[in-house]
Amino acid sequence: DIQMTQSPSSLSASLGDRVIISCRASQSINIFLNWYQVKPGKAPQLLIYAASTLHSGVPPRFSGSGSGTEFTLTITGLQSEDFATYYCQQSHTIPRTFGRGTMVDIK
Amino acid sequence: QVQLQESGPGLVKPSETLSLICSVSGVSISAYYWSWMRQTPGKGLEWIGNVYHSGRTEYNPSLKTRVILSADTSNSRLSLNLTSVTAADTAVYHCVRQPTGSYGQGDFWGQGAQVTVSS
Repeated sequence: DIQMTQSPSSLSASLGDRVIISCRASQSINIFLNWYQVKPGKAPQLLIYAASTLHSGVPPRFSGSGSGTEFTLTITGLQSEDFATYYCQQSHTIPRTFGRGTMVDIK
Repeated sequence: QVQLQESGPGLVKPSETLSLICSVSGVSISAYYWSWMRQTPGKGLEWIGNVYHSGRTEYNPSLKTRVILSADTSNSRLSLNLTSVTAADTAVYHCVRQPTGSYGQGDFWGQGAQVTVSS
C-alpha cells in the first residue's frame, strides 16, 4: 500500500494567517492527490483534486501544489470556517489511502 | 440537487453482519462511480471500496474477505455488507460519488451513518 504522511498532525493559527500542510507519498503518485476538509458531524468536503485543481465552489484562498511524492495544501488568509481537519488522499493506486490528518485550530 | 443518504442499524453485535444502504437522489447512479469510506476518531479516513455502474468492484485488501458492495440502478441505491464485524469496525460510514474519467476524487459525500459494534 502507498503510505501517505501528513505534517504537521495539528497546528494552531490565527484569522488571516497563511497555513501550509504537507503530504508525502511513499512512492510516486503523479498528480493523483486529493485534499478534503472534515468538520465534526458534517460530510467531508473535497477541496482540491489532481494535486492543484480547485473543486467547484471552493474559495480561492485554498490552493494545492506538487507532483510525484511531495504535495502541499495552502490556505491564504485563514477564515473562521476553515478551522477543521484536513486529509490528503492518493487515488493513483488501489487501495486508496489517506494521510492521518492535520487539525487546524484557533491560536 | 444531489443527495446521498446512508441508512442502517446504528448498533451491530460482534460477529454479525453490518448492512448499510445509500439512497441516491438528484443524479443517476449510472453516470458516476461510487465509493464507500469510513471515519474513526483513531484512524481517520479509510477507503472501503469502489462500485461501478457496470457492477465491477474494487476492495481494500484489509476488508476484501468480509465486504460486498453493490449498486442497484433501478432503485438508485448503493449497498454495503460487512460480515463478521468487531469493535474495530465501529465508525461513521460514508457513501461517496466519484466522477467518471476523473482523478479518482470523491466530489460529493453523504453525511454518514454512525455504526457501533457492541454486544
